[in-house]
Amino acid sequence: GQNIDQPTEMTATEGAIVQINCTYQTSGFNGLFWYQQHAGEAPTFLSYNVLDGLEEKGRFSSFLSRSKGYSYLLLKELQMKDSASYLCAVRSTRSGSARQLTFGSGTQLTVLP
Amino acid sequence: EADIYQTPRYLVIGTGKKITLECSQTMGHDKMYWYQQDPGMELHLIHYSYGVNSTEKGDLSSESTVSRIRTEHFPLTLESARPSHTSQYLCASRGTEDQPQHFGDGTRLSIL
Repeated sequence: GQNIDQPTEMTATEGAIVQINCTYQTSGFNGLFWYQQHAGEAPTFLSYNVLDGLEEKGRFSSFLSRSKGYSYLLLKELQMKDSASYLCAVRSTRSGSARQLTFGSGTQLTVLP
Repeated sequence: EADIYQTPRYLVIGTGKKITLECSQTMGHDKMYWYQQDPGMELHLIHYSYGVNSTEKGDLSSESTVSRIRTEHFPLTLESARPSHTSQYLCASRGTEDQPQHFGDGTRLSIL
């Protein structure tokens, strides 16, 4: 099966940088996604990594190391609106329901003024 | 911008009623998904579809059923609602393999 671990909660200050880590165990890795989910709303896509390295998108960057089963989401110049849950999701190459995304429990980020 | 719609947004209904949650997407995506999410908890896949007339059960056992008669439409049905079905239900769709899943706004279901 798949196992995804990420911290439950993090707190940071407006304007700062925060790194949210995600470790995973899966047989047949086939991509890792980061989603943002505000309370009571649907998840929105942030980034996708399938190869090792860093993907940068404005204030958000995501890093992947397949050999270590590790990813992080880096948020720069934090804004109050970045307070949300950040979900790490992994896809495997196995067929059937295992081929779908498996979501972590999410990291609740609180940005303080 | 993803075009995937769910109705109703909120539903409060009594035990024993039959409920259908609607999900439609206008992107021509073959793959569609239903997730169940309790407040502050992770998303659990309950159903998915690879295309018309294709439906599969997800990782989390659910008493709901789905159908996929048209590409754009993937409704979820509960034949007899119970309080244990109270949750948020999220529908998603995806295009090609390297594209992300796009989510609808969800249906918050409360069974009294």
